[in-house]
Amino acid sequence: QKEVEQDPGPLSVPEGAIVSLNCTYSNSAFQYFMWYRQYSRKGPELLMYTYSSGNKEDGRFTAQVDKSSKYISLFIRDSQPSDSATYLCAMSDNSGYSTLTFGKGTMLLVSP
Amino acid sequence: NAGVTQTPKFRILKIGQSMTLQCTQDMNHNYMYWYRQDPGMGLKLIYYSVGAGITDKGEVPNGYNVSRSTTEDFPLRLELAAPSQTSVYFCASTSRGRTVQGSPLHFGNGTRLTVT
Repeated sequence: QKEVEQDPGPLSVPEGAIVSLNCTYSNSAFQYFMWYRQYSRKGPELLMYTYSSGNKEDGRFTAQVDKSSKYISLFIRDSQPSDSATYLCAMSDNSGYSTLTFGKGTMLLVSP
Repeated sequence: NAGVTQTPKFRILKIGQSMTLQCTQDMNHNYMYWYRQDPGMGLKLIYYSVGAGITDKGEVPNGYNVSRSTTEDFPLRLELAAPSQTSVYFCASTSRGRTVQGSPLHFGNGTRLTVT
């Protein structure tokens, strides 16, 4: 079983839709959860960061973490064509110089 | 502010050739990383460095070498290139290695390498 599972998509939605992106993980030591956005032919950029369980909201984006289910989500409200990108979840534990474990990424396409 | 700069952007190598992928950052970050990204496979950590003179292996280090002689530069060396090393390579840096502080990784825009 892979450490982090993420549906690769593509996920196609019309402009204005609510988008739900998800990752599951198996390592119960993960405590820090991030979502990165990657536009085509660019490097990933940090979108959201959450520690432990709970919700975090930033504008149209909401990140949720459910550690009991080992499940994290990113919601995008009022999706825009400019949201079309690949979304990578990433997570790490609290041990030493911990490095990030990434999901494979979900490609999102928002059509006008 | 340039951030993380990677050169070259594209390269085609023949099997058995060697090359160095360059990475430099101007943010005075101590921590630097090399990832490879294959289609549908996510980002895999090759090597990382927590400061000048200190490097360590990541998940997929075989066939690669790194050095860190300055804070700014973290080159990745490919010796005896193989088709399995065809990938997009990303360099990243952050001010702290512990993500507990929420320090984001700053990525370059990648080097697209093809080995034929």
